[in-house]
Amino acid sequence: AQSVTQLGSHVSVSEGALVLLRCNYSSSVPPYLFWYVQYPNQGLQLLLKYTSAATLVKGINGFEAEFKKSETSFHLTKPSAHMSDAAEYFCAVSETGTASKLTFGTGTRLQVTL
Amino acid sequence: GAVVSQHPSWVICKSGTSVKIECRSLDFQATTMFWYRQFPKQSLMLMATSNEGSKATYEQGVEKDKFLINHASLTLSTLTVTSAHPEDSSFYICSARDPRLAGNNEQFFGPGTRLTVL
Repeated sequence: AQSVTQLGSHVSVSEGALVLLRCNYSSSVPPYLFWYVQYPNQGLQLLLKYTSAATLVKGINGFEAEFKKSETSFHLTKPSAHMSDAAEYFCAVSETGTASKLTFGTGTRLQVTL
Repeated sequence: GAVVSQHPSWVICKSGTSVKIECRSLDFQATTMFWYRQFPKQSLMLMATSNEGSKATYEQGVEKDKFLINHASLTLSTLTVTSAHPEDSSFYICSARDPRLAGNNEQFFGPGTRLTVL
């Protein structure tokens, strides 16, 4: 079984400040990990993914995440927040194997203030 | 590449009627598509996995007769909400896996369909 925990349903940062969104996973086998972003009334857009290559993964819009097996974490960061980053962010886990489903966390709403 | 579309983007219907939502992979053939449901300010809940040419696999607690899924071609899956009731009002999102990217389980998501049942 696999699961994802996202700590903090709401995160508020000032424009230009560091963004840190937390994600911890549970998986009985080496996982694939994903971060998706969702803007209001839209589908999900992939920010980045970890598929057992480099542990530090760089994504779109300046986001990156680091896979830490010892901490079972895959936290999402961005050095400097922009107003356009305000959205809902979902962490997801999938077991390796092409038949595996995605399991999503509960999401974190990022608010960016002036 | 790997674009998924949904139609309609929103629909309002009367209680007791049926509504069909289409999910299309525009630039690839998707043998597997997924249907999710999302309540306001909540996460995505997988409803079913749609496999081309075979019956869909429903998640526990999802009524098969209520949510009919058809995946008749490699680019189209449909979700029909039968005898809709107000509690079926939700945001429905589909996704598809591109077999050319086999090995990382990435899913490409459609823009979603907002269903409101009066």
